[in-house]
Amino acid sequence: EVVLTQSPGTLSLSPGERATLSCRATQSASSYYLAWYQQKPGQAPRLLIYDTSSRATGIPDRFSGSGSGTDFTLTLSRLEPEDSAVYYCQYFGSSQYTFGQGTKLEIK
Amino acid sequence: QVQVVQSGAEVREPGASVKVSCTTSGYTFTTYYMQWVRQAPGQGLEWMGTITPSGGATNYAHKFRGRVTMTRDTSTSTVYMELSSLRSDDTAVYYCARELRGDGHNYCAFDIWGQGTMVTVSS
Repeated sequence: EVVLTQSPGTLSLSPGERATLSCRATQSASSYYLAWYQQKPGQAPRLLIYDTSSRATGIPDRFSGSGSGTDFTLTLSRLEPEDSAVYYCQYFGSSQYTFGQGTKLEIK
Repeated sequence: QVQVVQSGAEVREPGASVKVSCTTSGYTFTTYYMQWVRQAPGQGLEWMGTITPSGGATNYAHKFRGRVTMTRDTSTSTVYMELSSLRSDDTAVYYCARELRGDGHNYCAFDIWGQGTMVTVSS
């Protein structure tokens, strides 16, 4: 079973800066099955990225995903105050889904 | 528009069972896989399993096999998740979510989520 480890645990940045969130898998993962979600307090998660780099409907191009093998990245360029949230990566492998533990992004 | 609406909050005693419903609308119910994900207070997301609404096939996370049952009712476009032998650490918000699909292909990502159902297990 693939285990996903996200880093950093917490990231504190200012508006306009760039955020780079990492998701590392314990074994090589297919890029087709890696997704990213945003979750704000009291809300359901929101799909941002699927297939490693495809943006979901309505997601601005400030959000981008990349990676392959065991290392995947979510990049948020030109941070805005509303980007403050917890971000999760997710993978589907061996007929099971797994989530990373999340990265909390704080906007100063 | 596409909607996924879940049943209301539940309180159960340890050892009991709970059944959460998820009613969909705005799309062809049998075309899209449905997923169940839970989130304990202050914790991350945990996948529980998948149900295929067209035929009712299921795939459960290893952790929940033997304790979870997912079913569907095509006449009402509703999926259900029943969890038995409840323990205090089953206290969580339970979400249903639709799997993203396009061009006849499933994308292994969840694009439409219900609002969540809080299940509290306490004596």
